[in-house]
Amino acid sequence: KAGVTQTPRYLIKTRGQQVTLSCSPISGHRSVSWYQQTPGQGLQFLFEYFSETQRNKGNFPGRFSGRQFSNSRSEMNVSTLELGDSALYLCASSLGTNPYEQYFGPGTRLTVT
Amino acid sequence: KNQVEQSPQSLIILEGKNCTLQCNYTVSPFSNLRWYKQDTGRGPVSLTIMTFSENTKSNGRYTATLDADTKQSSLHITASQLSDSASYICRAVGAGNMLTFGGGTRLMVKP
Repeated sequence: KAGVTQTPRYLIKTRGQQVTLSCSPISGHRSVSWYQQTPGQGLQFLFEYFSETQRNKGNFPGRFSGRQFSNSRSEMNVSTLELGDSALYLCASSLGTNPYEQYFGPGTRLTVT
Repeated sequence: KNQVEQSPQSLIILEGKNCTLQCNYTVSPFSNLRWYKQDTGRGPVSLTIMTFSENTKSNGRYTATLDADTKQSSLHITASQLSDSASYICRAVGAGNMLTFGGGTRLMVKP
């Protein structure tokens, strides 16, 4: 069974641009969560989607948004990028019935210059 | 406020030695605690998970302990190997399935 995949793996953008990251969960998993990881803040929860609906949301500005498609694939969008958005963005999938059993993808390394 | 604090922030040990990483949490009510290993440039991989009623859980050379009274957990690594070099992250789950992650401990094992 394939694991969680994220694309692209690396991305360089400039301030003010927007970016879209993609996550394909493990087959059969209906929940996808997104996290931002920085050296200073550790793992910070962005939001969780379950069956195309946002189920939980962390404390991030509205520039961060996401969506989930009917095949459970999810995208995350960040608009008007800031230097502080440089981070590793991790996606984790789970069946959705047990939120503790999350499986993480390899992450997308975003650098904002 | 739910918090998870890990110590030390970083650690260097020689190959073959043992080490212990600490995790203190203030998540309440507490449901379970999980330890992850994260290699550089990769996503975290689960090592162990313990509920409030469990005191210890092993996974090969990794042994996690939990004291729900003092809200402390530790991860003990026995006979360290070079491949143990990674970040180790502690995660606690509280009410409403709220997940709180610690900042991690960066472990470097030297030959």
